[in-house]
Amino acid sequence: DTGVSQDPRHKITKRGQNVTFRCDPISEHNRLYWYRQTLGQGPEFLTYFQNEAQLEKSRLLSDRFSAERPKGSFSTLEIQRTEQGDSAMYLCASSPSTDTQYFGPGTRLTVL
Amino acid sequence: GQSLEQPSEVTAVEGAIVQINCTYQTSGFYGLSWYQQHDGGAPTFLSYNGLDGLEETGRFSSFLSRSDSYGYLLLQELQMKDSASYFCAVRPRNDYKLSFGAGTTVTVRA
Repeated sequence: DTGVSQDPRHKITKRGQNVTFRCDPISEHNRLYWYRQTLGQGPEFLTYFQNEAQLEKSRLLSDRFSAERPKGSFSTLEIQRTEQGDSAMYLCASSPSTDTQYFGPGTRLTVL
Repeated sequence: GQSLEQPSEVTAVEGAIVQINCTYQTSGFYGLSWYQQHDGGAPTFLSYNGLDGLEETGRFSSFLSRSDSYGYLLLQELQMKDSASYFCAVRPRNDYKLSFGAGTTVTVRA
């Protein structure tokens, strides 16, 4: 098992463009989370999947953000019409049915 | 809601002991977790306290007192590689996500 992987690791885009990030969780982890982290802050929760069902979404997740986990394995996070305020590290984590979450290396988004 | 407070920075020398406190205001939670994050890296799990008391994992120990709404992470025999940010986090009852503190940056000097 190679842990949680995320792609791409870095993304630079112009304001107004759409971006999509991918997360591959640890196999057989049924819980998958997306967080956003800005400099000097802890990760902030965005959304949570149990298998393919999206069970919780943060109020931080505006209608420009959408996440999917179509087969209960990998997940994608799409941001439409990006804004400079979207610049952050986007972290994915997975877990079995415990309180321990395993984080991926993150995708660093820079919106110019 | 959940509010976790921890010091923003701590500096210590190699071989020293550092205690990072985490105080919280939350109506109920399953346990207190600690994560380590090196600059540019991903948060990695360090320790979890589901019950009150001390949990020891090598050079790192973590403590929880629910009655005092307080926990701490103890780093012993500090090494240069321990320079990182450390986050406390809770998973509230009836919730799935972790709520993180703002993090404590630990700098270890020779």
